[in-house]
Amino acid sequence: DQQVKQNSPSLSVQEGRISILNCDYTNSMFDYFLWYKKYPAEGPTFLISISSIKDKNEDGRFTVFLNKSAKHLSLHIVPSQPGDSAVYFCAAIHIQGAQKLVFGQGTRLTINP
Amino acid sequence: DADVTQTPRNRITKTGKRIMLECSQTKGHDRMYWYRQDPGLGLRLIYYSFDVKDINKGEISDGYSVSRQAQAKFSLSLESAIPNQTALYFCATSDGTSGTITDTQYFGPGTRLTVL
Repeated sequence: DQQVKQNSPSLSVQEGRISILNCDYTNSMFDYFLWYKKYPAEGPTFLISISSIKDKNEDGRFTVFLNKSAKHLSLHIVPSQPGDSAVYFCAAIHIQGAQKLVFGQGTRLTINP
Repeated sequence: DADVTQTPRNRITKTGKRIMLECSQTKGHDRMYWYRQDPGLGLRLIYYSFDVKDINKGEISDGYSVSRQAQAKFSLSLESAIPNQTALYFCATSDGTSGTITDTQYFGPGTRLTVL
């Protein structure tokens, strides 16, 4: 049972444009959400997070939006840069519960010059 | 120097062999984790440890065991490796001492394991 789903295995965006990566979850107990970025031959690195009490969190070019009623979150990157080409994982956690991250399958983002 | 290191980085072994993957961290974190990554499945939690005396099973612990030798060291063992354990394995750490546990995790570079 995949509690966190990233339905797009890959996404291709032109440099300078906006990249939008999507993530859906099924467990309404999740109260904190994170995005990780992974380059080849490296481990994932933390990118940005959002608490369930917020609907938006922004950090430079990266913004995460949370729609609790739809159980959906998205990561916006604007403007997209070639160095953003990587695999992006969405993750969720129930802080007052099991406190374990549950990851989505990942989306491979390619930024084209 | 990397904060989270994993050895070996690559390993090819045969079915039935015992293998150990090691993880060390210099971040001073209490919490350590082992994940495996498979294409199309993301990262799945194998085992985790919130301190030296605490070991917990994750969602896919069958066929694996772990040892937390010290705060800084967490090893994963495959007692009798099988081909469907071929995967990319990641160790991670997090700081659970702040009282506001957001569980931002710091990952090692991964170990690519192939079981023939």
